[in-house]
Order: sequence, then C-alpha cells, then structure tokens
Amino acid sequence: DTEVTQTPKHLVMGMTNKKSLKCEQHMGHRAMYWYKQKAKKPPELMFVYSYEKLSINESVPSRFSPECPNSSLLNLHLHALQPEDSALYLCASSHGGLADDGELFFGEGSRLTVL
Amino acid sequence: KQEVTQIPAALSVPEGENLVLNCSFTDSAIYNLQWFRQDPGKGLTSLLLIQSSQREQTSGRLNASLDKSSGRSTLYIAASQPGDSATYLCAVAPSNDYKLSFGAGTTVTVRA
Repeated sequence: DTEVTQTPKHLVMGMTNKKSLKCEQHMGHRAMYWYKQKAKKPPELMFVYSYEKLSINESVPSRFSPECPNSSLLNLHLHALQPEDSALYLCASSHGGLADDGELFFGEGSRLTVL
Repeated sequence: KQEVTQIPAALSVPEGENLVLNCSFTDSAIYNLQWFRQDPGKGLTSLLLIQSSQREQTSGRLNASLDKSSGRSTLYIAASQPGDSATYLCAVAPSNDYKLSFGAGTTVTVRA
C-alpha cells in the first residue's frame, strides 16, 4: 500500500472558523510533511515531522498548527485564516531515518477556500 | 540556496512523439532527484527517483538521467500518449535535510 490519504478533499471556511485537515499513511513511514501549493506554482514546504517530532517549520504563521498524534497520522489545524491562504494543501511521507532514500509519496491534497 | 529550473514551461506534441523534459539545478551537492507528475487539481505522483550515485533510472516508457557535475536531469517519455498530458515537476533533495527544492514544472499536452 503506497497510499497517502487526505481528508477532506474540499473545504470551504470563513475567516473565523476552526477546521482541520487530516492525513494518514500506513507505509510505516516516519517522516511526514505538509506542503502548500498555489495555482500554477510548485509546492512550498510548511512543516516536517520526523518520528512524530516537529523538525522543520518554514516560518509558517501561527494560524496553521500542525499535529502528529502518532506515526500514521498528521493533522493541520486551521484558525483565523485569510483569503490568501486558499490553496491546495498536500501531505507527503517518506521512509525517514538513516535508511531513508528520500522518495516522497504525496496524497491527493485538500483544496481549501477561505471566504 | 538551490535553484531548480525547468525549461520549457509548456510543451505540446502530437501523439507518438517522444518527450524530452529538462531540469537544471545550481548546487551539485544533492542527495537525490525525483520526478513527479501532477494532474490538474490533484496531488503529485512519484515517477522516478534517482540517487546521487546513479546516472539513470527507467520505468516502462520513462527514463530519467542525472548528470550531477553539470547540474542537469532529463526525463524522456517514449511514444507519448494523450494520457501523458500533465505537469511534470522535478525536485532536488539536498544532502542534509528534508527540504526539497522544486522546479516550476513543464506542462505537457499530447494531441491525439
């Protein structure tokens, strides 16, 4: 199973709402990532978790709050977002650790629209 | 800082023609290079991963080469089909962390 599953596929929220994006993988990967992608642009790294610990935060605003409850799950909590945060949010995973060949597996993404 | 460039930005070819997609990077100290495919509004699908010690990788009609010294990788797609229409992105992993550097992608249209 080489699948990364993201829910929901689409999300519309107001600027005062609180919502969460979820990501799950069952490949035994120990590194998980959140990327943000705007239309016709490459993905931009937001966060990396390695062995359930936050290892990279690319200076992302605090209105985005990541959480890694266990080695299979990754959440992105959203609060007080701005319309410019509307984008495709992609989750990815890789093997992690010394044996990591670095191959990334992406989910289908969650399309977020902030009104 | 690693800069990754993909030229051309867009490409349109008739069905059956071979595709050649280029990726160049500025820092040769890489861990690996990965080619992805992205359909509109969808996630990225990994096509090929080339480790820094490798010169090429092949999967079916796809072949990717890597020349670290010149900072280049090329993705070849043989006998293109309309189903190959998508955006192709290359991404370079540095030697020491998880931060991929992505190119802007080449959008391919294969005409039936």
